[in-house]
Amino acid sequence: NAGVTQTPKFRVLKTGQSMTLLCAQDMNHEYMYWYRQDPGMGLRLIHYSVGEGTTAKGEVPDGYNVSRLKKQNFLLGLESAAPSQTSVYFCASSYSMGTGELFFGEGSRLTVL
Amino acid sequence: QKEVEQDPGPLSVPEGAIVSLNCTYSNSAFQYFMWYRQYSRKGPELLMYTYSSGNKEDGRFTAQVDKSSKYISLFIRDSQPSDSATYLCAPNNDMRFGAGTRLTVKP
Repeated sequence: NAGVTQTPKFRVLKTGQSMTLLCAQDMNHEYMYWYRQDPGMGLRLIHYSVGEGTTAKGEVPDGYNVSRLKKQNFLLGLESAAPSQTSVYFCASSYSMGTGELFFGEGSRLTVL
Repeated sequence: QKEVEQDPGPLSVPEGAIVSLNCTYSNSAFQYFMWYRQYSRKGPELLMYTYSSGNKEDGRFTAQVDKSSKYISLFIRDSQPSDSATYLCAPNNDMRFGAGTRLTVKP
């Protein structure tokens, strides 16, 4: 029972480099989300998806892109990493939006030097 | 004004104390109110949820919603060191979370 799996768990980037975070869920959930968590700021929604092939912007989308080519996968991309994107990134999925429990991955710690 | 406000703490209490964690929210349309618990270096997990106003009890935990004042609370009775974690409130209609309150229960 894997639930929500995020890869990689840790990554160090230099300013300007690009990378992709992968989120995979095995619960057949329609809804998937990417959050970032910073000290004192809580979880902030970056992008989300209401189904395969759809994406939408959250609170803090600038500097990130996402894709949901398969129902079980949600990718978060950083095209040109900046130090301000140093954070812990969490992926989550849910059966329904607004009323349903969010299931989170273990997090991906990204440092941008 | 932020849609969800939560005091980030940190909060430190002795074992056995009653803990009160609180959030305020601004959108009167919210109906579902979740509390998530996050242990260090882990993802959040749903602890409790309530629908509309009122109380809900689960063991040592009680969630309370007062929609008239847009105030939600989580009470922990007989707190244990294993309760040490960050607690995040989430009026979940909007996928937004409070900042989280970091709780430490000392033996």
